[in-house]
Amino acid sequence: QVVLTQSPSASASLGGSVKLTCTLSSGHSSDTIAWHQQQAGKGPRFLMKLNSDGSHKKGDGIPDRFSGSSSGTERYLTISSLQTDDEADYYCQTWGTEIQVFGGGTRLTVL
Amino acid sequence: QVQLQESGPRLVKPSETLFLTCAVSSYSISSGYYWGWIRQSPGKGLEWIGSMSSRGRTFYNPSLNSRVTISGDTSKNEFSLKMTSVTAADTAVYFCARQFCSTNVCSRPASVEYWGQGALVTVSS
Repeated sequence: QVVLTQSPSASASLGGSVKLTCTLSSGHSSDTIAWHQQQAGKGPRFLMKLNSDGSHKKGDGIPDRFSGSSSGTERYLTISSLQTDDEADYYCQTWGTEIQVFGGGTRLTVL
Repeated sequence: QVQLQESGPRLVKPSETLFLTCAVSSYSISSGYYWGWIRQSPGKGLEWIGSMSSRGRTFYNPSLNSRVTISGDTSKNEFSLKMTSVTAADTAVYFCARQFCSTNVCSRPASVEYWGQGALVTVSS
């Protein structure tokens, strides 16, 4: 069964950029994932689907500041021109034959 | 834009049955996609509970399989979650969601595209 690994926390400066990582377990380098953002006290919001070749499809209204890329079993979410409301938990998600899996999430702090 | 809204009792006694409904607007649940439930225990991450296709095919988390049923009511354009024999460990915010299909023939669910706002359900006597 696939496992997704995320660092528990990250921080970056207001106006700067940050690259968050989601690592797929061995043998799953071709898998597609999704990134979701959850601001404090709110439900999650779908950001994008990210393929193994780095191509991605964003959700409705997601700004160009959010982009995705891939390398091997790693999937990245890059946020540029950081704003205060980018401070949130970010989760990756993938799916198998009959299972859905979420990573443990990364809490992003905007300094 | 598709909107989803959870409703149902927010306090359930241990050993009883949890029942939640998700009302969907701006899209018919019988037209396509998957319709799922995900939960988040206080201070924890996200856990997939299960999903239902637009034709009623279901997939469940193996760790919850024997206690969970997801079903749809196309006349009301809503779908429901039933979880039996609940314990304090089932206390969580429950989200309903619309999910992409993973294949062209929609054989299984993929990522969540739209989320509901969530409903906190507490299991306590």
